[in-house]
Amino acid sequence: DIQMTQSPSSLSASVGDRVTITCRASQGISNYLAWFQQKPGKAPKSLIYAASSLQSGVPSKFSGSGSGTDFTLTISSLQPEDFATYYCQQYNSYPWTFGQGTKVEIK
Amino acid sequence: QVQLQESGPGLVKPSETLSLTCTVSGGSISSYYWSWIRQPPGKGLEWIGYIYYSGSTNYNPSLKSRVTISVDTSKNQFSLKLSSVTAADTAVYYCASVDGRAYYMDVWGKGTTVTVSS
Repeated sequence: DIQMTQSPSSLSASVGDRVTITCRASQGISNYLAWFQQKPGKAPKSLIYAASSLQSGVPSKFSGSGSGTDFTLTISSLQPEDFATYYCQQYNSYPWTFGQGTKVEIK
Repeated sequence: QVQLQESGPGLVKPSETLSLTCTVSGGSISSYYWSWIRQPPGKGLEWIGYIYYSGSTNYNPSLKSRVTISVDTSKNQFSLKLSSVTAADTAVYYCASVDGRAYYMDVWGKGTTVTVSS
């Protein structure tokens, strides 16, 4: 199985901050990577697919980059509604696997 | 846009079979792939498997011996069965659609909580 490792596991940030979350795959996955946002008690919501393509309806403050084994999710200006847990997920090979999550909290 | 809704018993006894259904609305199930994912309390996400509308499946090897995913195109539904459950199968279970072009899980249901307990 491909292991997905996110860093950091949690972070504290202020409204307006630029936030970057990293996801590393244990082997190359080309650009078959998605990012999800999950708020407490809610289902995950798709943000990014194919490493850098924005899901329809998702604000442009979210961006993704990377290819191969190293990927990033950036939130350009953190807003109160962005405090959540973020997961990366590879769909290059089976079984599809997720990172352990990064919890973004209010400083 | 497609919407998905999970349904099924919220409590299952150990050693029995967990059965859930996902109803698809706003679109036809006769296209693309349909997936199940679960999340134990306080933990991360685990992909269970998916089914193509034609019936072909792909399962997570960690669950493969106990999982069956099926599709009923006449009802626009797909289903999950997980046999011989234990407390470790207690989780929120989500169904999701898989985008047919980009091949990622784009739309998720709200999830349903299943507790395994006697």
